[in-house]
Amino acid sequence: DSGVTQTPKHLITATGQRVTLRCSPRSGDLSVYWYQQSLDQGLQFLIQYYNGEERAKGNILERFSAQQFPDLHSELNLSSLELGDSALYFCASSPQGANKGTEAFFGQGTRLTVV
Amino acid sequence: TQLLKQSPQFLSIQEGENLTVYCNSSSVFSSLQWYRQEPGEGPVLLVTVVTGGEVKKLKRLTFQFGDARKDSSLHITAAQPGDTGLYLCAGPTSGTYKYIFGTGTRLKVLA
Repeated sequence: DSGVTQTPKHLITATGQRVTLRCSPRSGDLSVYWYQQSLDQGLQFLIQYYNGEERAKGNILERFSAQQFPDLHSELNLSSLELGDSALYFCASSPQGANKGTEAFFGQGTRLTVV
Repeated sequence: TQLLKQSPQFLSIQEGENLTVYCNSSSVFSSLQWYRQEPGEGPVLLVTVVTGGEVKKLKRLTFQFGDARKDSSLHITAAQPGDTGLYLCAGPTSGTYKYIFGTGTRLKVLA
């Protein structure tokens, strides 16, 4: 158990809908990272937050947004869903921001299926 | 843009064989991490290498960071079926706060 909790574990929804994925980081970790992993693909970096502030953006679509709350949990909002958004979405946390020696701890992921 | 390219992409070997996985970049990384991911699970951290030329061992796994800190390798000795999984290198990009992953090497060890 990495200490990172993601909910829900599975999500099935229709095209055009909006969903929210939730992540609770490890106790004490200030950074949260979101990744998308499509079938048999590597992890694509979406966005990173540090202590409530957005720190870095990757190839995140405009239909996607995220935030980190004062209690440090984070939510990833996906809207106007398309079939191609079906993927595993992972959240990771680390004590500090991406820097020398950063080690990230991953949740179990949310498997999103858009039908 | 900093990228991490891994080779080979796929590897299928017999139990007891040795193998090496490579992680290469044209950019310098302050550190690199190696993870292993099993189907339907999140990646699990194996090791961090920080210093150029550093070698770390984890049982039958040996990790090396290149002298110029642009590449890393993972060598597995006497592979076992339990080593099967997706191996990923990762690192923090310089000048940004992005933490990126390599393209991955999918290893299958046959009994």
